[in-house]
Amino acid sequence: EVQLVQSGAEVKKPGESLRISCKGSGYDFTNYWISWVRQMPGKGLEWMGRIDPSDPSDSYTNYSPSFEGHVTISVDNSINTAYLQWSSLKASDTAMYYCARRTGDVWGTGTMVTVSS
Amino acid sequence: DIQMTQSPSSLSASVGDRVTITCRASQDIRRDLGWYQQKPGKAPKRLIYAASSLQSGVPSRFSGSGSGTEFTLTISSLQPEDFATYYCLQHHSHLLSFGGGTKVEIK
Repeated sequence: EVQLVQSGAEVKKPGESLRISCKGSGYDFTNYWISWVRQMPGKGLEWMGRIDPSDPSDSYTNYSPSFEGHVTISVDNSINTAYLQWSSLKASDTAMYYCARRTGDVWGTGTMVTVSS
Repeated sequence: DIQMTQSPSSLSASVGDRVTITCRASQDIRRDLGWYQQKPGKAPKRLIYAASSLQSGVPSRFSGSGSGTEFTLTISSLQPEDFATYYCLQHHSHLLSFGGGTKVEIK
């Protein structure tokens, strides 16, 4: 079965760093790019960016202008896992975060991130 | 960037009704569009890909149409399990973008 399993919920303070993960199984992980999607409480879906696992260098990573510079997307092909990382969280980063394969044929389980002092 | 304008933002309908949701793209995206259903507390689920192709396992009451800048999702006969929020997503550009969503509520 094709699955994307995400890491568990996180509670952090403003200014802290965080990395959440998305582990693929049941398919060739390097053949499909992975996107990250934000959903703030009670709001719609926002595409954040994507990475092509076949070449995890920067040239194969795209970010929405709304998120570029605030988050980093990376991948570790040795463990079929994509990451979304913040170096300094803000309260406005409080949201559910989903990973999705390619154009969303498979979605992750979601990771709730709460940032509060 | 390509902007996706989805309408309406919400609608009330009864079981058995025909429901139509529209997405308009700010530029030609050919047929590079999908439709997604999201229920509260759940991850989105793809219903339609390539504008009009039905995802495997999705009931045939769901259909998609359109190309270029205007796209439509139609539910031919609304069922109780269809009350949810629906989104379009374009992937024509290297920067993807969602529509704002349509919440389908019970009348």
